[in-house]
Amino acid sequence: DIVMTQSPDSLAVSLGERATINCKSSQSVFWSSNNRNYLAWYQQKPGQPPKLLISWASTRESGVPDRFSGSGSGTDFTLTISSLQAEDVAVYYCQQYFTTPPGYTFGQGTKLEIK
Amino acid sequence: EVQLVESGGGLVQTGGSLRLSCEASGFTLGNHWMNWVRQAPGKGLEWVANIKRDGSEEFYVGSVKGRFTISRDNAKNSLYLQMNSLRAEDTAMYYCARVSWSPSDQKDGYEGPYRNFDYWGRGTLVTVSS
Repeated sequence: DIVMTQSPDSLAVSLGERATINCKSSQSVFWSSNNRNYLAWYQQKPGQPPKLLISWASTRESGVPDRFSGSGSGTDFTLTISSLQAEDVAVYYCQQYFTTPPGYTFGQGTKLEIK
Repeated sequence: EVQLVESGGGLVQTGGSLRLSCEASGFTLGNHWMNWVRQAPGKGLEWVANIKRDGSEEFYVGSVKGRFTISRDNAKNSLYLQMNSLRAEDTAMYYCARVSWSPSDQKDGYEGPYRNFDYWGRGTLVTVSS
């Protein structure tokens, strides 16, 4: 099984500052046949289900503010919030969808708070 | 508007059974692989099971194999999770989640499960207690 490890477990950032969350997979989730990384990022606010933010490691979903960006390839990935807003307080999860047969795994989550 | 609404959760004794349902609307259920994902209180997300578009293939996380069964009825726009031999560690919020099927996937004829989860329901809470 692919293990997803996020860092840090929690993060406190001032409003307007940059927040960076890392995700490392135990094996590569890059498929050279289509040049894609099978990695997504989700945001979960208290009392709500997860919401898809980014797919293919760096493709922002429709309606997601452009302050959210994803980067990385292979085994190391980053979610960056360029200028933290109050509404970004949430837990963020990375997920791989590479494993065959399908057996998706999530990182343990990173709790983002306002400093 | 795409909607997924789970039901069937509740309090059950250790060793008991429960059947969860997820009613889909706003899209054609048969065009998507579907999943159940759970979240224990205060913990992270754990994928539980998924099922192919026509119900012909199912996959499970190891801890539920032989105890849980995922199924679907596309004509009724519904996904199910039959949970038997429940344990305390199965206590969690259970979400149904849709596998994405993009316009480019449609154009390319791709119908597989290796995509992100683009819509989630609000969940149904299962509590297993002795």
